[in-house]
Amino acid sequence: DIQMTQSPSSLSASVGDRVSITCRASQSISSNLNWYQQKPGKAPKLLIYAASSLPSGVPSRFSGSGSGTDFTLTISSLHPEDFASYYCQQSYGTPPRTFGGGTKVEIK
Amino acid sequence: EVQLVESGGGLVQPGGSLRLSCAASGFTFSSHWMIWVRQAPGKGLEWVANIKEDGGEKYYVDSVKGRFTISRDNAQNSLYLQMNSLRAEDTAMYYCARANFGSGSHHYDYWGQGTLVTVSS
Repeated sequence: DIQMTQSPSSLSASVGDRVSITCRASQSISSNLNWYQQKPGKAPKLLIYAASSLPSGVPSRFSGSGSGTDFTLTISSLHPEDFASYYCQQSYGTPPRTFGGGTKVEIK
Repeated sequence: EVQLVESGGGLVQPGGSLRLSCAASGFTFSSHWMIWVRQAPGKGLEWVANIKEDGGEKYYVDSVKGRFTISRDNAQNSLYLQMNSLRAEDTAMYYCARANFGSGSHHYDYWGQGTLVTVSS
């Protein structure tokens, strides 16, 4: 099975900061990488799919990059509503479709 | 409006069984792969199982193989997860989600609100 490693596991930042979260796959997954945002007590929400595509309705301050084994989620300027947990997830080849361990973005 | 509503969670003893349901509406259910994802209290997301549009392919994470069975009824727009031989480590919120395919990648674009399964004596 493909393992997904996210870093950092948590970070503290201020409103307006630029934040980056990385995700590494244990083998090449091409661009088959998705990002989700989850707020406490809520279901996950799709943020980025296919490494860099934004679903409609997701603000443009969110962006994704990478291919192969290394990926990055970037929030260009943190808004108060962005404080949440973020998960990467691979969708390459035969399932299972593993998630990364998550990154909690907290207010500094 | 796409809606996914899970039900069937609850408290069950170790070794027991439970059947989760996910009622789908607002889209053509039979045209989408569907999945179950779980989240243990205070932990991250774990992909559990998925099922093809016609039910002809099913995949599971190793930790549930042989114990859980995913199924669907396209006539009833419903997804199911039959969970047998439950263990304490199966305690989690269970979410169903719709899979979509775009830019060459499967992703999960709609999620239910979850149903809580607690395995304890």
